[in-house]
Amino acid sequence: QKEVEQDPGPLSVPEGAIVSLNCTYSNSAFQYFMWYRQYSRKGPELLMYTYSSGNKEDGRFTAQVDKSSKYISLFIRDSQPSDSATYLCAMSEDDYKLSFGAGTTVTVRA
Amino acid sequence: EAGVAQSPRYKIIEKRQSVAFWCNPISGHATLYWYQQILGQGPKLLIQFQNNGVVDDSQLPKDRFSAERLKGVDSTLKIQPAKLEDSAVYLCASSLGQGGIGYTFGSGTRLTVV
Repeated sequence: QKEVEQDPGPLSVPEGAIVSLNCTYSNSAFQYFMWYRQYSRKGPELLMYTYSSGNKEDGRFTAQVDKSSKYISLFIRDSQPSDSATYLCAMSEDDYKLSFGAGTTVTVRA
Repeated sequence: EAGVAQSPRYKIIEKRQSVAFWCNPISGHATLYWYQQILGQGPKLLIQFQNNGVVDDSQLPKDRFSAERLKGVDSTLKIQPAKLEDSAVYLCASSLGQGGIGYTFGSGTRLTVV
């Protein structure tokens, strides 16, 4: 069993739709949870960073963490073509070493 | 603020050859990481440096991979000899201190082993 499992996708949605991305994990020691966005031929860039369970909102992005279920989600509201990218969930025990999911490729159609 | 610089951007080599990648982190960032991202997978940590000391190299295939960070600034990652399964993007990242929120990744070096 992989330490972090991410819904594989790919996802294709029309502009303005809500995008829902999910990851599950098996390591109960994870305390730090992140979502990264990766454009083609670029390095990952941090979108959302949360510590412990709960919701965090930043503009059109909402991150949810449910530690009891070992489940995290990212929602993108009013999706735009510029949101087309691969989204990676990442987690850490110590806020140094990151364990990544395999990524979900999202295409937002204009 | 300048980002994390990596070179070369692309490299094609034959199996059993050697190759080296270079990374210059953001100025002042004490922690430097090398990740390997195989096509269709998430990045996997190879090695973590704190200044010029190794903190974690548990997933580095030490029979063929080596890395150094002289003077606690830039770093090189070497593969010798390369295998076909080493084909991947090698990402360098740096952080000021506590990692996750302060991570900045470079654009990576795409290695193809033929």
